[in-house]
Amino acid sequence: NAGVTQTPKFQVLKTGQSMTLQCAQDMNHNSMYWYRQDPGMGLRLIYYSASEGTTDKGEVPNGYNVSRLNKREFSLRLESAAPSQTSVYFCASSEGPWGNYEQYFGPGTRLTVT
Amino acid sequence: EDQVTQSPEALRLQEGESSSLNCSYTVSGLRGLFWYRQDPGKGPEFLFTLYSAGEEKEKERLKATLTKKESFLHITAPKPEDSATYLCAVPFEAGGTSYGKLTFGQGTILTVHP
Repeated sequence: NAGVTQTPKFQVLKTGQSMTLQCAQDMNHNSMYWYRQDPGMGLRLIYYSASEGTTDKGEVPNGYNVSRLNKREFSLRLESAAPSQTSVYFCASSEGPWGNYEQYFGPGTRLTVT
Repeated sequence: EDQVTQSPEALRLQEGESSSLNCSYTVSGLRGLFWYRQDPGKGPEFLFTLYSAGEEKEKERLKATLTKKESFLHITAPKPEDSATYLCAVPFEAGGTSYGKLTFGQGTILTVHP
């Protein structure tokens, strides 16, 4: 039981390049989330998927797109990377979309945009 | 606006020196409060969920408590392996439902010296 897995672990991009961050969970959870973590800013929600087939914006969605591929997988795409997107990205999942369900986090992807 | 504030920002303890971390929140109709532990270079690890004032939960040397306006994470006789960043989070309220979107505090960096 791997929990939440993310690929890649590290990535360096040049400004304007695109990439997709992959996330998968094996806990049969319904809801999945993408966060970014920056020094002094804490964890901020980018997008979330309350259930398979639905996605919605979080606090900081600009410059990102997401796809809930199936119940297990939720990807985050940067279409044209900018230095401001340098951050650590975490995927998380929970049993349900409501606030009383704890979220489980993956190990993170460290992204640098030059 | 929902806010979560943690104090202190950093705490240095000697091994065996007990102390407490604070998480204060301004959320109407609290639906739960979560505590996480985050080690450097890793994703947040779920510790506790508290749902109502007066509730307490324990795990090894950690005990979390909840009042109507704040939560405390008490660390009894800490060991160096307890060194980590401790995060608290509350569900974000939007139109009466929280949809599992968490508002995180900035975290407390705990260092326990041998």
